[in-house]
Amino acid sequence: EVQLVESGGGLVQPGGSLRLSCVASGFTFSRHWVTWVRQTPGKGLEWVATINEDGSETYYVDNVMGRFSISRDNGKNLLYLQMSSLRAEDTAVYFCVRGRANLWGQGTLVTVSS
Amino acid sequence: DVVMTQSPLSLPVTLGQPASISCRSSQGLVHGDGNIYFYWFHQRPGQSPRRLIYRVSGRDSGVPDRFSGSGSGTDFTLKISRVEAEDVGVYYCMQSSLWPWTFGQGTKVEIK
Repeated sequence: EVQLVESGGGLVQPGGSLRLSCVASGFTFSRHWVTWVRQTPGKGLEWVATINEDGSETYYVDNVMGRFSISRDNGKNLLYLQMSSLRAEDTAVYFCVRGRANLWGQGTLVTVSS
Repeated sequence: DVVMTQSPLSLPVTLGQPASISCRSSQGLVHGDGNIYFYWFHQRPGQSPRRLIYRVSGRDSGVPDRFSGSGSGTDFTLKISRVEAEDVGVYYCMQSSLWPWTFGQGTKVEIK
């Protein structure tokens, strides 16, 4: 089955760190750009970061630049999002997305609160 | 950043009747390669978004032909020819021609 499955979400204190993972199956992961998109009730959908096929290019939304890092392991079909210096406004469901958003994972919830 | 403005934000519809959602971008969406990377998504409660339309008017695999996309320049439209019960939820537009990728605020479709 073609799918993306996220994990790693949870409750973290402000200023803390968390690493999200996304495992791909059913397609050739290394041939696709992949992206993290987050969703909050108040702000809707927000693009967070994208990485190209071999990991040589990365792009970030301004408000996570310097705090979040996207990476991938094509040998294990894994996408990562390392998040640090977390803020309350980073609270959201984080989705792993393939290519031009033609495949989405089910999402993992990150809650930043003391 | 490109601002994507959807209207209406709430759309009560009658089963079997047509529906239309508009999305306006704050600037043109032509990518350097000449394509327009503009999309429509549908999200049902408790589910992930699903892409319906790619590059303005292409219909994704498995999407019923009652859904159609159109537009050019900065104005784009999603039309449902005859609304069915399974079409309720929130519809989003998105552009990925320019960094950062940006989404519309969402249009909530519900049955009258």
